[in-house]
Amino acid sequence: GAGVSQTPSNKVTEKGKYVELRCDPISGHTALYWYRQSLGQGPEFLIYFQGTGAADDSGLPNDRFFAVRPEGSVSTLKIQRTERGDSAVYLCASSLRNTGELFFGEGSRLTVL
Amino acid sequence: AQSVTQLGSHVSVSEGALVLLRCNYSSSVPPYLFWYVQYPNQGLQLLLKYTSAATLVKGINGFEAEFKKSETSFHLTKPSAHMSDAAEYFCAVNDNAGNMLTFGGGTRLMVKP
Repeated sequence: GAGVSQTPSNKVTEKGKYVELRCDPISGHTALYWYRQSLGQGPEFLIYFQGTGAADDSGLPNDRFFAVRPEGSVSTLKIQRTERGDSAVYLCASSLRNTGELFFGEGSRLTVL
Repeated sequence: AQSVTQLGSHVSVSEGALVLLRCNYSSSVPPYLFWYVQYPNQGLQLLLKYTSAATLVKGINGFEAEFKKSETSFHLTKPSAHMSDAAEYFCAVNDNAGNMLTFGGGTRLMVKP
């Protein structure tokens, strides 16, 4: 497909478990972003990659959250020891370098019981 | 630091009426400004963007927004609402194109027949 693809679309897990969320950006887009959207709120920035490196990870809430993009394309957001407060929709977006226009996936809805 | 305030978390209009969704921003440098729309169960889509060219920006689906530096505003308008416009609308600011967007809390637009 031509758009940003996120898997899984829904993930239900238990408190304390480990979760991985995957993002496949638009081909050729060098920038990749992760956001978190809680119910009734706007997207909240988590981390931004330019190529393989994290250019800005200031939005990651704590050290339980980590993201990688080893080959500069697909990215994985990893959450350790999940807590109920981590429940949200995790959005991935990609863009061409320096355009400022982000293309979003449909998100991965995480529910922590 | 950049921030966005959207006045009114819910706006209800009648079909055919004017749509006005308010957005005010703060930014330490001339900003890039965006409006995104999120339809139910879909990802965010770009409606329009301001990048320091014309202050009146036209977007998709008949929407437009005007950048007013003196008021630090970027309100979204549409002359005549359609039922299909019912969605959540997010204003966003970027003070360094290529880096992350900061989103407002969103405004849910409801269109009554």
